[in-house]
Amino acid sequence: EAGVAQSPRYKIIEKRQSVAFWCNPISGHATLYWYQQILGQGPKLLIQFQNNGVVDDSQLPKDRFSAERLKGVDSTLKIQPAKLEDSAVYLCASSLWPNPAPGVTTYEQFFGPGTRLTVL
Amino acid sequence: AQTVTQSQPEMSVQEAETVTLSCTYDTSESNYYLFWYKQPPSRQMILVIRQEAYKQQNATENRFSVNFQKAAKSFSLKISDSQLGDTAMYFCAFIGGGSQGNLIFGKGTKLSVKP
Repeated sequence: EAGVAQSPRYKIIEKRQSVAFWCNPISGHATLYWYQQILGQGPKLLIQFQNNGVVDDSQLPKDRFSAERLKGVDSTLKIQPAKLEDSAVYLCASSLWPNPAPGVTTYEQFFGPGTRLTVL
Repeated sequence: AQTVTQSQPEMSVQEAETVTLSCTYDTSESNYYLFWYKQPPSRQMILVIRQEAYKQQNATENRFSVNFQKAAKSFSLKISDSQLGDTAMYFCAFIGGGSQGNLIFGKGTKLSVKP
């Protein structure tokens, strides 16, 4: 079974530029999450999709961050314009929630390799 | 609000020895799930072990086991026979049973296994 795919793995941009990250979840996973992980901290949820609808975007800085999951499969997270404090690892994860499956913990999240963003 | 606290920013252990990482959490829910994730320098977050709050038996996965104390809201991870490949950041995480499935993470513990 293929895991969660993310690209690019690394990105360096200057402040005020824009950047986009892509995520392809595990096939059949209804829910997709974007997390921001600042160095030395645990991941913080930015946005959660269930299929192509937003479940939670309460911690997404909407003046500069946007995300979409148009067909309920892959997703794009965009930052425009970027600030120095956006330097972080951006993690994508997916889960079966809310759809149960035999022998599987619905809440378990599977993570991609992340994108390390450096804003200069 | 639900919170997860990991009070040990860094720990080290000799290869083949046992180490315990601490985690406490705060919630008013009675049904929830707890996880330990490992994040090596490659950044890939990998699930180590999970515990359902309604289960009294502590979860075990090979060299990894937990000590789940529901009344004390404590969820520690024990790694036996530590290996060099266990060197990583370890995150404790919580999901409320009534939630919409989003994880709440602690700040992590950096574990170094020394040869």
